[in-house]
This record gives sequence, structure tokens and C-alpha cells, in this order.
Amino acid sequence: DAGVTQSPTHLIKTRGQHVTLRCSPISGHKSVSWYQQVLGQGPQFIFQYYEKEERGRGNFPDRFSARQFPNYSSELNVNALLLGDSALYLCASSPDTGSYGYTFGSGTRLTVV
Amino acid sequence: GDSVTQMEGPVTLSEEAFLTINCTYTATGYPSLFWYVQYPGEGLQLLLKATKADDKGSNKGFEATYRKETTSFHLEKGSVQVSDSAVYFCALSDHIGQFYFGTGTSLTVIP
Repeated sequence: DAGVTQSPTHLIKTRGQHVTLRCSPISGHKSVSWYQQVLGQGPQFIFQYYEKEERGRGNFPDRFSARQFPNYSSELNVNALLLGDSALYLCASSPDTGSYGYTFGSGTRLTVV
Repeated sequence: GDSVTQMEGPVTLSEEAFLTINCTYTATGYPSLFWYVQYPGEGLQLLLKATKADDKGSNKGFEATYRKETTSFHLEKGSVQVSDSAVYFCALSDHIGQFYFGTGTSLTVIP
């Protein structure tokens, strides 16, 4: 079975640009969450979606947005990129709301120059 | 708010040594607790979990016990191997499934 898949794996963008990151959850998983991991730190929660509805949002500016599609895949969008947005963006999926653990993808490495 | 504090690294051990990585948490409710492992260039892998007080999670020789009285979830392994070299993250999950991660502890095991 395929795990959580994220695309692209690496991305370089210029300050001020917009980026879209994509995530396909494990088949049958209805919950998707997004995390930002800056080098040397633990992942920070950005969004959680369950059954296509937003269930939680972390302390990130409105430049960050996300959505979940009918097939449970998800997109994370970041507008007006800043240098500080450079990080590994992790997507994770769970069959339920995640209280028993998430399965993480390998992430998208975003570099803003 | 909810948070996790884990032992600062890096940690360097010889093969077959005993490993302890300390983790304490602060939570308003009754969280589930997790240890995740991250190998270089990869995402996070669930190592073990415990969902209620006094539960012991275990996997691949690693163990951790959910201690409500000390708000701790320390990771232990009796005999580490070179292949255990990675970054280990302690995490808690709140009632809506939001995860709070510690800063990670880098472990290097030398032959």
C-alpha cells in the first residue's frame, strides 16, 4: 500500500511568489494535517482537515491556507512567500481525527530565495 | 497551552549502550503520547504510542511509559545499535488530534 505521498519533493521559490504543495493520504484515511518543520526544530502544526472540513489551525498568518478535496487529498497554499517560510512541509494522514497517531509523508523541502 | 519538553541533544552512545531520552509534557486534558523517529532526509515515522496513564508503548526494543504523576514519557532502549542513529521527537495529541512536538533529540550510535 502506498503511504502518504507529497509533491513536489523539493521546490525553490522567490520572495513574494506563491506556492502550492500537494498531499495524498493513505487510502481510507479521512484526516489530513499539515506541519512546518524548520531545520533543527520540531514540526509546528499548521492545519488539520477531517472529512473536508477545517478542524484546527495553528498560529500561522493568513498567507497560509489549505483545503481538502472530496477524495481526501489536500493542498497547502502559501502566498507572498518570505525567506522565513523556508522549511520542510510535512503532510500526515489518519483514519480518524488523529488521536491514535498520524502517518507522515516524507515532506516537501521549500527554499525561498 | 499544551507543550512538550524533551532532552536536549545531541546524544552520542557506543553500540549496545543503554539509552534514555527524557520527555515531559504539559496538557490541559488527557493527551495521547507518542515518540516519532526521523532518519536523515526522511519524514517522521511513528515509533510507539500510549493513549492513557500507565500504558507502556513498545516497538523495536524501544519502550516508554505514560506517567501522569510526573507528566513524563521517557524513551528507553536497553541496547542501541548503529541503525538507531536518528532524531527522536516526543509528541502529544490533544482532544482534536492536534500534535505538539518537542524540539527533537539527535542520537548518534558509534560502533
